[in-house]
Amino acid sequence: DQQVKQNSPSLSVQEGRISILNCDYTNSMFDYFLWYKKYPAEGPTFLISISSIKDKNEDGRFTVFLNKSAKHLSLHIVPSQPGDSAVYFCAASRNSGYALNFGKGTSLLVTP
Amino acid sequence: GAVVSQHPSRVICKSGTSVKIECRSLDFQATTMFWYRQFPKQSLMLMATSNEGSKATYEQGVEKDKFLINHASLTLSTLTVTSAHPEDSSFYICSAQDRANSEGYTFGSGTRLTVV
Repeated sequence: DQQVKQNSPSLSVQEGRISILNCDYTNSMFDYFLWYKKYPAEGPTFLISISSIKDKNEDGRFTVFLNKSAKHLSLHIVPSQPGDSAVYFCAASRNSGYALNFGKGTSLLVTP
Repeated sequence: GAVVSQHPSRVICKSGTSVKIECRSLDFQATTMFWYRQFPKQSLMLMATSNEGSKATYEQGVEKDKFLINHASLTLSTLTVTSAHPEDSSFYICSAQDRANSEGYTFGSGTRLTVV
């Protein structure tokens, strides 16, 4: 049963524009959320996280928004760069010490 | 930052043989390590959770006799795929938890297993 869902398998954005990747979750026990970037045949690379006590976390070009009532989070990348092209996974956990539950990923393509 | 080394990165083996994948935390102690598996265009699915010095906890549907996990030290966990079959071909990734790291989870670079 997929508890973390990324309903958009792919997204194409022009360089310089904003990329918005969405993620929904079903388990209300999740209280820690992370975004990972992944290239083929490599392990995921951590991008940004947010705990349930916050609704926004910003790190450079990356901002994650959390809407707990809607069980929805999103990753904003602005401005998007061609090097951002990769698969982005949303992940959620109940707490530190528990394994991550991943969405199926969204493949982002940033075109020049 | 925290680094997790996973070896080998690629392995091809014959059906019926066993393959061992190692996952090491290089600069921190990982009391908990997680093993994931990813099929093409699919999510990373948790296979098992291993805690140092104790038996691994396997997810439903994962055969513990087929996927042997050993976590003998705070820096090393191994996954052995026994009697491999072509359907075991997949991308296996380990993750170690560093409680002292705000990022929390550090992933290895993954192992592409192909069983022929």
